[in-house]
Amino acid sequence: QKEVEQNSGPLSVPEGAIASLNCTYSDRGSQSFFWYRQYSGKSPELIMSIYSNGDKEDGRFTAQLNKASQYVSLLIRDSQPSDSATYLCAVNMQGNTPLVFGKGTRLSVIA
Amino acid sequence: DTGVSQDPRHKITKRGQNVTFRCDPISEHNRLYWYRQTLGQGPEFLTYFQNEAQLEKSRLLSDRFSAERPKGSFSTLEIQRTEQGDSAMYLCASSSRTGLNSPLHFGNGTRLTVT
Repeated sequence: QKEVEQNSGPLSVPEGAIASLNCTYSDRGSQSFFWYRQYSGKSPELIMSIYSNGDKEDGRFTAQLNKASQYVSLLIRDSQPSDSATYLCAVNMQGNTPLVFGKGTRLSVIA
Repeated sequence: DTGVSQDPRHKITKRGQNVTFRCDPISEHNRLYWYRQTLGQGPEFLTYFQNEAQLEKSRLLSDRFSAERPKGSFSTLEIQRTEQGDSAMYLCASSSRTGLNSPLHFGNGTRLTVT
């Protein structure tokens, strides 16, 4: 069973704080990892991709990957109320299979 | 780049009716995916095409569901004899690469309500 696990939240952080979102996956051979943001009633929007161990930064977002621990995370610095959304972790598992999504973590940034 | 386009945005139908949804991918993308999403869940894979070939179907996809991509451009997803459990957001996505590093770009989705 190929699974992607996320804490459903809600995760509440004050405006300006760092939000930390976590994701674990079951397939040790997974190669590609993506974070999507989804506002209520809207479709998922790609915000970050990461393919190798370590950190990848893009503006206020940092993705972190640890393949040995089968763990990927997303940090959002200087959180804004407009960051309030559900964040979906998605993984390309072995065998070039379609992306497997987690259930998402709902983030609420309090002004 | 006009993005992935889905039609209709909303569909309300009565149980037992057939419905068909259309997806137009980003023009140069050769892979097209259908996912389904219900409240509080992540998108769930249904099927995907590379050009006109349907390469994989989820075991969750019952025989009431059929998808086509006849000329390798737009795709249709048909649900026959709809059931209340089919109520969901149906998401179409496309990607330009066939390798593992292939992010998906989603359309706005079609929200289906079966009454």
